[in-house]
Order: sequence, then C-alpha cells, then structure tokens
Amino acid sequence: GENVEQHPSTLSVQEGDSAVIKCTYSDSASNYFPWYKQELGKGPQLIIDIRSNVGEKKDQRIAVTLNKTAKHFSLHITETQPEDSAVYFCAAWVFSGTYKYIFGTGTRLKVLA
Amino acid sequence: EAEVAQSPRYKITEKSQAVAFWCDPISGHATLYWYRQILGQGPELLVQFQDESVVDDSQLPKDRFSAERLKGVDSTLKIQPAELGDSAMYLCASSPSSGGLTDTQYFGPGTRLTVL
Repeated sequence: GENVEQHPSTLSVQEGDSAVIKCTYSDSASNYFPWYKQELGKGPQLIIDIRSNVGEKKDQRIAVTLNKTAKHFSLHITETQPEDSAVYFCAAWVFSGTYKYIFGTGTRLKVLA
Repeated sequence: EAEVAQSPRYKITEKSQAVAFWCDPISGHATLYWYRQILGQGPELLVQFQDESVVDDSQLPKDRFSAERLKGVDSTLKIQPAELGDSAMYLCASSPSSGGLTDTQYFGPGTRLTVL
C-alpha cells in the first residue's frame, strides 16, 4: 500500500543512552526521507533529512541511515538528553494517485533522567 | 530564521459555527500545504497549493471545508459548519519549489481547534 510504517510507537531510554527509530516505505521511487520532532502543542520541526544518493547523514548527535534495497531508513540519537523527549515522525513521498508526503505514525520518545 | 506563521494558535467554537485559520508561508515558497493532525497521529494532507492554484484537494471534505490562496502568498482554511469530529491540530507547511519528490516541507506552529 501507500503507507509509511514506523516503529516503535513508544521508546523509553535512560539519559545518555542511544535511541533508534525505524521507518519502512513502499514506493521504490521515493528518494527523500525527512525526520521531524514534534513537542507538545507545537508543529513538527525538521531535524534531519536524507536523499537517496547517500546512505548516511550525521548532524552532531543525530544521524539518519538509509537502506534503499530494503526500503527502510532509521533515526539514530546518541547521548540522549531530557530535551530530546518528544514525538518523532518520519515521512516519505509515496504515490497514491499523485505523490503525497506521507507521515509515519510517530514515536513517543521519553528520555529518563 | 524564516518561519511559517499561523493564527490563531488556539480556537474554541461550538458545533455548527464557522471557523477560519490563516497561514503565511516562508517568503518565496511557492508551495503551501494544509494538514490536519488528530491527537496521537501523524499529519494528514488536506490541500496543496502551487502558487494560487490547488494541486491536490482530494482529502478535503468539500461539503464543509474550503481553502484559498488568492494571491499565491498567504492562505485561509475555513470550516463551515464545524462538527465535533473536526477537533484537531491544523498545520500549515510550505516548501520552496514545486512540491517535487525531494522538497522539504517546513511547518508552522499549528492551530489547535476544539469544537464543543
């Protein structure tokens, strides 16, 4: 189908540990994969994205990896801090009559101090 | 840093009333999107504009929802009449080019609508 599946739905980690969130997509033509962070009562904020010509991208404690063959991409947060607690969404352009920006179902990350 | 602006941030209304939300995209962004986000779910596209033209409104409940972007800059989303099930966060996003497959979408803070 035209879904973007995201796992896990909730994730609790101890401060300083790493967190990994994974998304799978169905459309092999998809070539742009963003990750958004959404804090309570706010709009989604882009934190990192990757295009299909690279397999990994890093920005300080955040990284995204892409496996086009398996059609999945993952968000990696290292040295987690309490302020990383939020809901994280992946997205991908998926064909459904026209191309639509489809979001995953979200992962609620809790970083325990 | 340029941001997408939305107003109001919060709106409480009674069912059967009319409500309107406003969005001002990042300057120069040609494509504007309206999304609805139900609590605990990801955003779902309602309507997409390229300049002043509607590109995709297939998920917009046209019996009660309308959207316009008359001059290709800011946009208004209207609901008339509002129903209880319309309670949600309404998000506006913009992207710099033509909504292509590598476009990044930047979101505003959203309008939280509560229908009583």
